[in-house]
Amino acid sequence: SQTIHQWPATLVQPVGSPLSLECTVEGTSNPNLYWYRQAAGRGLQLLFYSVGIGQISSEVPQNLSASRPQDRQFILSSKKLLLSDSGFYLCAWWTVGTEAFFGQGTRLTVV
Amino acid sequence: AQTVTQSQPEMSVQEAETVTLSCTYDTSENNYYLFWYKQPPSRQMILVIRQEAYKQQNATENRFSVNFQKAAKSFSLKISDSQLGDTAMYFCGIQGAQKLVFGQGTRLTINP
Repeated sequence: SQTIHQWPATLVQPVGSPLSLECTVEGTSNPNLYWYRQAAGRGLQLLFYSVGIGQISSEVPQNLSASRPQDRQFILSSKKLLLSDSGFYLCAWWTVGTEAFFGQGTRLTVV
Repeated sequence: AQTVTQSQPEMSVQEAETVTLSCTYDTSENNYYLFWYKQPPSRQMILVIRQEAYKQQNATENRFSVNFQKAAKSFSLKISDSQLGDTAMYFCGIQGAQKLVFGQGTRLTINP
């Protein structure tokens, strides 16, 4: 079956600390992968997307980066977190003919 | 570039009423997919309905149906016989060859 795992579910990090959020997909190959951020009560902002291993496209210049070291692994990182990086982060995948599948999300609070 | 506009930040209707959520989009691609997702307070994204752009027939899933106007680039969602469990944030999205982009969402409240 097709599943997506995203962790951790919640994270509290101090300003200036590094960040690594991971997302893995099962049950498909060569999916498009996506990272979104959602501020409280707001819309889904596309941060990064990837159509293949090592291929990363950035939508918004910011303090974050993404990597795809394996076909079904997508990582969101930061070297130094800012207060403005707080939010709800969602990972998703899609292939032709399917709906988009979303992870459970990570609630990040930068303090 | 792909963009999605949801012009109704919030809507509120009585239980059992019919409600329509608006969505317009823009894309330069010929092949694309359109989605409506529901996000309840749990924040889990749940597919409501999807439409392939090459299909002229409007998609329907039980109480949910869309009005897809390709020339106008409009993709509205109609919820019939609304239920309390329909209360959620609703996102309209467009999937092209590479990007999946969503609108800002419409917060729908169903009142008893």
